[in-house]
Amino acid sequence: DVKVTQSSRYLVKRTGEKVFLECVQDMDHENMFWYRQDPGLGLRLIYFSYDVKMKEKGDIPEGYSVSREKKERFSLILESASTNQTSMYLCASYIRGGNEQFFGPGTRLTVL
Amino acid sequence: AQSVSQHNHHVILSEAASLELGCNYSYGGTVNLFWYVQYPGQHLQLLLKYFSGDPLVKGIKGFEAEFIKSKFSFNLRKPSVQWSDTAEYFCAVNPNRDDKIIFGKGTRLHILP
Repeated sequence: DVKVTQSSRYLVKRTGEKVFLECVQDMDHENMFWYRQDPGLGLRLIYFSYDVKMKEKGDIPEGYSVSREKKERFSLILESASTNQTSMYLCASYIRGGNEQFFGPGTRLTVL
Repeated sequence: AQSVSQHNHHVILSEAASLELGCNYSYGGTVNLFWYVQYPGQHLQLLLKYFSGDPLVKGIKGFEAEFIKSKFSFNLRKPSVQWSDTAEYFCAVNPNRDDKIIFGKGTRLHILP
C-alpha cells in the first residue's frame, strides 16, 4: 500500500512564525502536491513538484514556498505565518501516468 | 481557466434514497476523471475513476459515475444510499493527463437515518 505521511496532525503557531510542514511518500512517486482544504472552497492547489528540486506554483502560492531535496519528501514552508493561513493542509503523491493521487492524513494548522 | 464545478454544495437525503451528484469540467481535451470521498475524520480516498473505455464506471461501495463527453460531465450516482455514505465528495479532473489534478469545491452529503 502506498503511504503518504505528514509530520503533524495538529499544529498551533503564532503570527509571524516560520512553519514547516513535512510530507513523505514511500512509493517512489515523481509528483507530489500540497493543497489546503477550507470549508466551501474544496481543495486548492498551493504548489506541486514533478521531480526533485522542481516545483510549480499552483492556484494559491502566495505566502508559501516549498522544498523538494529528495524524491520522497516534499516540504511546505510558511515564511511568516498569518491568521488567514489557518487551514487543513493535505499532501498527495501521484505516479506520472498513474491513476490515483494518494493523500496523507492532513495537518490542521491554527495560526493565532 | 480550467475548472471543475460541483453543482450541489450540501445534499441531505434519507436512507434508501437515490443519489446523483453533478460534476462538470471546463477542459476540452483528453481528461482523466475521478471522484474522491472523505469520511468524517478520515483521509481522502478514491471512489472511482475514468480513463477510457466504457463511460459508465463502477466504484467502491455501490457508487457509479457516467462520463458524458458532449456535456463535459461526470456525475456520481448511487441507487440507494446508506447512513454510512455521509461524507464529503470531490470530483477531480486531470486535464490532458498531465501532472496537475484539479478538484471541485466538494459536496457535503448528509444521510438521515
